Amino acid sequence: ILNVEQSPQSLHVQEGDSTNFTCSFPSSNFYALHWYRWETAKSPEALFVMTLNGDEKKKGRISATLNTKEGYSYLYIKGSQPEDSATYLCAFIRTEYGNKLVFGAGTILRVKS
Amino acid sequence: DSGVTQTPKHLITATGQRVTLRCSPRSGDLSVYWYQQSLDQGLQFLIQYYNGEERAKGNILERFSAQQFPDLHSELNLSSLELGDSALYFCASSSQSGGGTIYFGEGSWLTVV
Repeated sequence: ILNVEQSPQSLHVQEGDSTNFTCSFPSSNFYALHWYRWETAKSPEALFVMTLNGDEKKKGRISATLNTKEGYSYLYIKGSQPEDSATYLCAFIRTEYGNKLVFGAGTILRVKS
Repeated sequence: DSGVTQTPKHLITATGQRVTLRCSPRSGDLSVYWYQQSLDQGLQFLIQYYNGEERAKGNILERFSAQQFPDLHSELNLSSLELGDSALYFCASSSQSGGGTIYFGEGSWLTVV
């Protein structure tokens, strides 16, 4: 079974708080892991594509790490702002399943000012 | 603007009918993906085409079919529509056949009444 689990399901934080989410995936035959940011009434927007174990990527206040051996990725947001409010999706590709990008259910982040 | 264009943006149709959703990928992208987002489920992968050929298949119903044309635009055909087919259908494109960043269109809202 190809399963991508994201936690927590939702998160409510105050402006300025730092936060992190987890994406868990099967560790065998790993090919790539994607993180997307999905704002209400818009389309998902790519944040990171990660392929190597130990990868760390950063974009402004958002960063992500990848552990392919244990099957998890963390997304960190430093000093959350109200405009960070969105659903954060991770998606996973496994070599034996070709190019099928399987999405997790997402973590809904709400940042209060 | 991701560069991926989907039409129509909204569509209301009756049960039993057939509709076609259209997608123009980003300029130069050879891969087109179709996803379904319904109220009670996350983003579900339907099908992927790469340079005109089917590359990966997800949970696409037999009543649904897709194709990618020589000019790389793609169409998703939904027939014998049921109420449960009401959803947001996303098209996405990428330059690679797998693993690269995927760019999403704004989606086509389908309501079946």
